[in-house]
Amino acid sequence: DTGVSQNPRHKITKRGQNVTFRCDPISEHNRLYWYRQTLGQGPEFLTYFQNEAQLEKSRLLSDRFSAERPKGSFSTLEIQRTEQGDSAMYLCASSPSRVAGELFFGEGSRLTVL
Amino acid sequence: AQSVTQLDSHVSVSEGTPVLLRCNYSSSYSPSLFWYVQHPNKGLQLLLKYTSAATLVKGINGFEAEFKKSETSFHLTKPSAHMSDAAEYFCVVSDYNNNDMRFGAGTRLTVKP
Repeated sequence: DTGVSQNPRHKITKRGQNVTFRCDPISEHNRLYWYRQTLGQGPEFLTYFQNEAQLEKSRLLSDRFSAERPKGSFSTLEIQRTEQGDSAMYLCASSPSRVAGELFFGEGSRLTVL
Repeated sequence: AQSVTQLDSHVSVSEGTPVLLRCNYSSSYSPSLFWYVQHPNKGLQLLLKYTSAATLVKGINGFEAEFKKSETSFHLTKPSAHMSDAAEYFCVVSDYNNNDMRFGAGTRLTVKP
């Protein structure tokens, strides 16, 4: 399968623990996005990478959140000192820069903070 | 900042009848508009997009949408619903460089046999 891959698919953690999610985009896509989706809501933009450069960050991305994309390939999203309000589905999408706005989404990583 | 409002959180139709999912947008720029679909336990998939070309846009699986600037609307339609169309549908607006794409809250489409 050559689509966007996200791991783990589901993570259950205790409040205060750190978690890390990984996203492997489609190989020739140089744009990578992270979104958060809570129950009954549409995805909310978190951050965006063009190759290895993080070009935009939403105000939703507090200091406890950090995202990286070393070498412009896979990306990680780390949440430190998790809170119950962080419980959500974290979605990764990639896009070829030549196609405006066409995002290819992974199936998401669901975080449950107890 | 740009935003979208999906006017119905849930739409229920019978198989073979028309589908109408409503979306209104707000944007300071000439917007790009999209519809995405999310089937249960599947990733979001692009249905169609408007990027300032033809105002009537055709997408996959028989869906189409019409951009109406005077009404700030981008409603999604399909002449005849199929059981496989049951899913969550999201209207999306983006700024001129497509980096910050704003999703609506979604409309859940139910198709009755």
